[in-house]
Amino acid sequence: GENVEQHPSTLSVQEGDSAVIKCTYSDSASNYFPWYKQELGKRPQLIIDIRSNVGEKKDQRIAVTLNKTAKHFSLHITETQPEDSAVYFCAASKGGSYIPTFGRGTSLIVHP
Amino acid sequence: DTGVSQNPRHKITKRGQNVTFRCDPISEHNRLYWYRQTLGQGPEFLTYFQNEAQLEKSRLLSDRFSAERPKGSFSTLEIQRTEQGDSAMYLCASTPGGGVETQYFGPGTRLLVL
Repeated sequence: GENVEQHPSTLSVQEGDSAVIKCTYSDSASNYFPWYKQELGKRPQLIIDIRSNVGEKKDQRIAVTLNKTAKHFSLHITETQPEDSAVYFCAASKGGSYIPTFGRGTSLIVHP
Repeated sequence: DTGVSQNPRHKITKRGQNVTFRCDPISEHNRLYWYRQTLGQGPEFLTYFQNEAQLEKSRLLSDRFSAERPKGSFSTLEIQRTEQGDSAMYLCASTPGGGVETQYFGPGTRLLVL
């Protein structure tokens, strides 16, 4: 089955800095890669996703890049703000059931 | 609130008891997923329904776990003879299907087995 590794487990940055979270996956058939943000005590919510036919996608301060050859994808957050503090999960899935395999999460702490 | 809802939000039970959780997906979402999440981990897939059909179950889902979605709307997850290792957050998510894969999660049911 699919295996998703996520690094780092904790990331501490100053407000205004950039943050990068990296994930690798094992199943070359995976073709859908979402990122979820989970604030303390709240449900995971999708923040951005990318499909395997695209190398990069941006949404304001958030971007995701995908390298299919190397089987890794990354989340980039620019101009971080304290409200970006949360746990971020990457996931990988493939067509059909689209059952996602999640990474273990990255706790992002943005210091004011 | 038109989002995914789950009940109860918290459940404390004694080892050996049975518990049942309910998930109400977003209306007209035909796919429904159950996950278990423990501290410091991402959600782990348990099972998934398309309409009323249970199409896949994880190896994590022992025979003490059973899930149903009888009319293709709400779903229940039952755990029989609970064990302390069952303590976790149980999350439900739904997707509309048809190529839209975004998972809309519920708030979860936190289970504590004493």
